[in-house]
Amino acid sequence: GEDVEQSLFLSVREGDSSVINCTYTDSSSTYLYWYKQEPGAGLQLLTYIFSNMDMKQDQRLTVLLNKKDKHLSLRIADTQTGDSAIYFCAEITMDSNYQLIWGAGTKLIIKP
Amino acid sequence: KAGVTQTPRYLIKTRGQQVTLSCSPISGHRSVSWYQQTPGQGLQFLFEYFSETQRNKGNFPGRFSGRQFSNSRSEMNVSTLELGDSALYLCASSQAAGGPYEQYFGPGTRLTVT
Repeated sequence: GEDVEQSLFLSVREGDSSVINCTYTDSSSTYLYWYKQEPGAGLQLLTYIFSNMDMKQDQRLTVLLNKKDKHLSLRIADTQTGDSAIYFCAEITMDSNYQLIWGAGTKLIIKP
Repeated sequence: KAGVTQTPRYLIKTRGQQVTLSCSPISGHRSVSWYQQTPGQGLQFLFEYFSETQRNKGNFPGRFSGRQFSNSRSEMNVSTLELGDSALYLCASSQAAGGPYEQYFGPGTRLTVT
């Protein structure tokens, strides 16, 4: 069945890079998404990658996809206090009838 | 372009009452999905509407219902509220359905049931 897993917490120092990891189980062609949720707010779409890509970069964000291991990561360069949030990984597949399958979210904590 | 709007933002209801939440999608978007978010269960899919028809439904009891209007605006209704219905209810819109279309979320409605 479909499942998306993430670690619950990540703590980094301001200015360092943050790497948030996600694993997924579905083997069909898929899009994988990263969403950001700040306290008391809805979810903001950060970026996405299709399963036939290895990497996507967008300013401070780099998404890496290892299809063999079904592992997805989001790297945030030069992490700032404004990056404090919960980051959700989600996948969408034909098998899921194009419904998003969500991870539990990783809370990113920034240390001064 | 205006984003997804949800009303009201906050709501306090009593057990046994019913509630209606509203969602206006981004202009031109025809698909609206609803999610329930709680600390214990995370994000759970409620249902998706496209062209006024329910396209997909999650595993929620029949007390949870929704509809979509011809202008793509959507409402969800919860009848006979229970304490466990306290949650953040999120609405998301996308251009269409049946494909990997990006979903854009509203700020949510925080429902508290006492």
